[in-house]
Order: sequence, then C-alpha cells, then structure tokens
Amino acid sequence: GAGVSQSPSNKVTEKGKDVELRCDPISGHTALYWYRQSLGQGLEFLIYFQGNSAPDKSGLPSDRFSAERTGGSVSTLTIQRTQQEDSAVYLCASSLKLVRNTEAFFGQGTRLTVV
Amino acid sequence: DAKTTQPTSMDCAEGRAANLPCNHSTISGNEYVYWYRQIHSQGPQYIIHGLKNNETNEMASLIITEDRKSSTLILPHATLRDTAVYYCILPPSNTGKLIFGQGTTLQVKP
Repeated sequence: GAGVSQSPSNKVTEKGKDVELRCDPISGHTALYWYRQSLGQGLEFLIYFQGNSAPDKSGLPSDRFSAERTGGSVSTLTIQRTQQEDSAVYLCASSLKLVRNTEAFFGQGTRLTVV
Repeated sequence: DAKTTQPTSMDCAEGRAANLPCNHSTISGNEYVYWYRQIHSQGPQYIIHGLKNNETNEMASLIITEDRKSSTLILPHATLRDTAVYYCILPPSNTGKLIFGQGTTLQVKP
C-alpha cells in the first residue's frame, strides 16, 4: 500500500482480555515505531524496530506489553490482560532507516477501548 | 538527548505567515532538527527537517540560526487546515527514538 496501515482501526475489549494490534509499514522501510496517545495527552514512545530487532524495549509500560516484527515487515503489538488505563490510540510509524536523516510516516492508529 | 522548548500555543490569521519558534540550545553538531504536526484525530505528519542550512519544501520553510541553538518553522500562508499541534524534535543520532514533547498548538483563525 501507499502508506502505513494499521488494523483494526477500532477495538473494544473487556478488561482482562488479550489484544493484538497490527501494523503494516511502507514496503522497504526497515525501521518501525510504536507509540500510544491517551485522550488529550501527548505521544508516548513505546518501542522501535530496526529490521526484526528491537534494541530498546524500555518504553513499554509493563510486562503485559510485547511487540514483535517478522520478515522485516509486519509488526504486532500485544497487550495481555488489558486494563482500563490501556485505553488509548496506538500509532505505528515506519521510516526508510532510523530517523536521523529520514522522515517517519505514521498510520492512522488503532483506537483501543477497554471496558 | 538534546531538549527542545516551544511555546505552548500560538494564534495566526488565515492567509498570514505562521512563524513557530523552537529553542534547542544544547543541540549537538550532528543532530538534525525535525518538525512534525498532528492535526486533530490524525497520526503525526512529517513537515521538514534540516541540519545547518535553511530548508524549504512545498509545506514549509525551516530557518536554523547560525549557532543552531534555535530554529523557526514558517508556514508562508496559513490556512484553517494548518490548525494542529506542531512538534520540534531532535532525534538522537544512534537510536530510533523519536520523542514528541508537548509541541505548540497553532490555531489559525479566519
């Protein structure tokens, strides 16, 4: 596709359930980033991938959060045992390489609501 | 990582130039200055970036001072659709962390 695609666009889940959020980056982009944005708040960095490797996982809020990337392409962000405070828009971005001298392109996000 | 300081909010009249300042007094020699914006309910959008020289593209111009301690994003003819939060960011040279601060909320008024 032409841009970063995220699915689902909206997800409502019950507290305690696991959810998987998917990100399809722009073809050929080696770097991929996950952020979340709670209502009325700024963008919170979660994790980035260079290829399939995630060198820094310190931004993940808790051990209930995990992310993987396979084949240097699609990435999934998994939240186990969801809590109400996990409700947010989860944004994915990709760039041709790490962002020192290239722009990142963002998807439209997945709006997660935990009830 | 070098930090940036931006005004919390600014207003601009439609059709006028919007000049958004950013201070980055601790910037290091190899750090780029990036600008992104986020229109309400959308993902952030890349605008422009530069290292030392002034840059211009179809969206905006970026003016970086000679000492690189501050920069200004210029939207030459602001429209109502330019109402957004504008972020000035200095990505670290050795990681992929693109950290967004609070940015400047630009309100373009008719």
